[in-house]
Amino acid sequence: EVVLTQSPGTLSLSPGERATLSCRASQSVSSTSLAWYQQKPGQAPRVLIFEASTRATGIPDRFSGGGSGKDFTLTISRLEPEDFAVYYCQHFGSSPRLAFGGGTKVEI
Amino acid sequence: EEQLVESGGGLIQPGGSLRLSCAASGFHVSGNYMSWVRQAPGKGLEWVAVIYRGGDTYYADSAKGRFTVSRDDFRNTVYLQMSSLRPEDTAVYYCVREYYFGACDIWGQGALVTVSS
Repeated sequence: EVVLTQSPGTLSLSPGERATLSCRASQSVSSTSLAWYQQKPGQAPRVLIFEASTRATGIPDRFSGGGSGKDFTLTISRLEPEDFAVYYCQHFGSSPRLAFGGGTKVEI
Repeated sequence: EEQLVESGGGLIQPGGSLRLSCAASGFHVSGNYMSWVRQAPGKGLEWVAVIYRGGDTYYADSAKGRFTVSRDDFRNTVYLQMSSLRPEDTAVYYCVREYYFGACDIWGQGALVTVSS
């Protein structure tokens, strides 16, 4: 079973700053199986990145994903006011089929 | 527009049963892998169950033996039948479409299930 650990738990930044979020897997995983989501209060999550580094349709290019093996990152190059939210990484595997990290809250 | 709309949530006593529905529009559920993901109040996301295009189903350990996912292709709807409900099943339940190695591109608005006496 793959366990995803996200850090930090909370990131306090200002608009215009760069945000770097970390997702560490308990074992090496395929980059193909790693995705990132954004969730705002009262809303369903929205996929940002799949295959570790491919932006989903309509996602601004200030969002980028990277990493391999056990360590993956989501970078927001310049925070916009609408980017303050909770971010989750997700692994696609066999048991469980979808495993989510605990989330990182990006706050002002 | 591709969309998922859940219904059927509510307040249920421990040990009770509830069925959630997820109506799809703009695409066919039969041609996709459809999962249920839940989120307890103030907590993170937890995968619950999946139904494959071919109809096979798989469950998280927390759902095995108590939850059943099914599909009605004519109604283009996915269901989650939940029984022997426990207080720890209290959550918003999302119906999602998986589109690329488990990445979920379409999410419903969520259905709140509260298990309490």
